[in-house]
Amino acid sequence: SYELTQPPSVSVSPGQTATITCSGDALPKKYAYWYQQKSGQAPVVVIYEDTIRPSGIPERFSASSSGTMATLTISGAQVEDEADYYCYSTDISGDQRVFGGGTRLTVL
Amino acid sequence: QLQLQESGPGLAKPSETLSLTCTVSGGSISSISYYWGWIRQSPGKGLEWIGAINYSGRTYYNPSLKSRLTISVNTSKNQFSLKVDSVTAADTAVYYCAREAFGSGSYYDYWGQGTLVTVSS
Repeated sequence: SYELTQPPSVSVSPGQTATITCSGDALPKKYAYWYQQKSGQAPVVVIYEDTIRPSGIPERFSASSSGTMATLTISGAQVEDEADYYCYSTDISGDQRVFGGGTRLTVL
Repeated sequence: QLQLQESGPGLAKPSETLSLTCTVSGGSISSISYYWGWIRQSPGKGLEWIGAINYSGRTYYNPSLKSRLTISVNTSKNQFSLKVDSVTAADTAVYYCAREAFGSGSYYDYWGQGTLVTVSS
């Protein structure tokens, strides 16, 4: 079955840039989405369709996608950005939805 | 504002069937623009997509779970449901229901708060 691969953890100091990657064979053809999940809460989408930031999401959140790799960038990470981040997409057929394994972002 | 609420027993016995219902309010489950999905998260683990259904009953299932899954929809009650057969401790998780929105791609834009189901005798 289809998989999306993320690094388990990323750590930055406040104000630094955090970069989280997501790799998947279908990403050249399928959009990537990024979710933020804070402890005890449901996930919230921070990026959809590779690069679009929903209203209400801070401008420091941005993303890109090239080839089989999608990347979430948090420019000037804040302590409140500490969370688990998941990429999401589908397989090439569009039938199988899949989440990446998640990346724990630590900001301290 | 669209809201989704999961309901069902918080405890299931091994080898039995886990059953959950998601009630949608503030919008119609019969809209052709959406699918309705289930996602779960085992304690301390990542998100796992379970499956999705549309208003007409068309379903998509996670291949690794497909043999044990049934997802159904009740448009008159604005609800959709999940059944997982032959559960084991590995099915212990927080189960989320969510709306899948279709644009150029598709993603889950509204989520329920999640409900913990523990599989234990």
